[in-house]
Amino acid sequence: NAGVTQTPKFQVLKTGQSMTLQCAQDMNHNSMYWYRQDPGMGLRLIYYSASEGTTDKGEVPNGYNVSRLNKREFSLRLESAAPSQTSVYFCASRTGGANYGYTFGSGTRLTVV
Amino acid sequence: GEDVEQSLFLSVREGDSSVINCTYTDSSSTYLYWYKQEPGAGLQLLTYIFSNMDMKQDQRLTVLLNKKDKHLSLRIADTQTGDSAIYFCAEKEDYKLSFGAGTTVTVRA
Repeated sequence: NAGVTQTPKFQVLKTGQSMTLQCAQDMNHNSMYWYRQDPGMGLRLIYYSASEGTTDKGEVPNGYNVSRLNKREFSLRLESAAPSQTSVYFCASRTGGANYGYTFGSGTRLTVV
Repeated sequence: GEDVEQSLFLSVREGDSSVINCTYTDSSSTYLYWYKQEPGAGLQLLTYIFSNMDMKQDQRLTVLLNKKDKHLSLRIADTQTGDSAIYFCAEKEDYKLSFGAGTTVTVRA
């Protein structure tokens, strides 16, 4: 099925551990995004990639790095996880239509203890 | 999403209409969106409106846009239990969307 696939769906990390969240889309979209969702705060943009080969910081980039591996894949890395990074992480890609709507993955629920 | 504001909760009786309100700050936004998030799932695009429109209707959904007041609303007619979800308002800014905090809609019998 076409769409945005995120792995893993759930993860528990200890403070200081590192991990990479994976995201892939098969819709040939140029732009991809990483958001985090926290209760009462909605979605906040961490990083985005407007096109293959480019990445830019969003609202809350500290503690994260990204890689746009190719047009399909956009990964998010936590080098040294902190409890403040406990959140639900969503990857999205931009639809091709002029309405600019996003297609979202189903999310990764990350807990840092 | 500090540039997009919405109330956090709405409780509505099944069969009634729901109205979710949103205010935004960027007067140059060309598109405004409503997304729905069901428990444990990602966000789904419900509907959108172009900034040169005042109203858009799509089955049970009606979007109203007041550009002067930078106010956007989503009306759901004949609200059903399956409409229980979090609804996000979003505006387009350059290459990205800026989201509100989301309105949790609870439908009671």
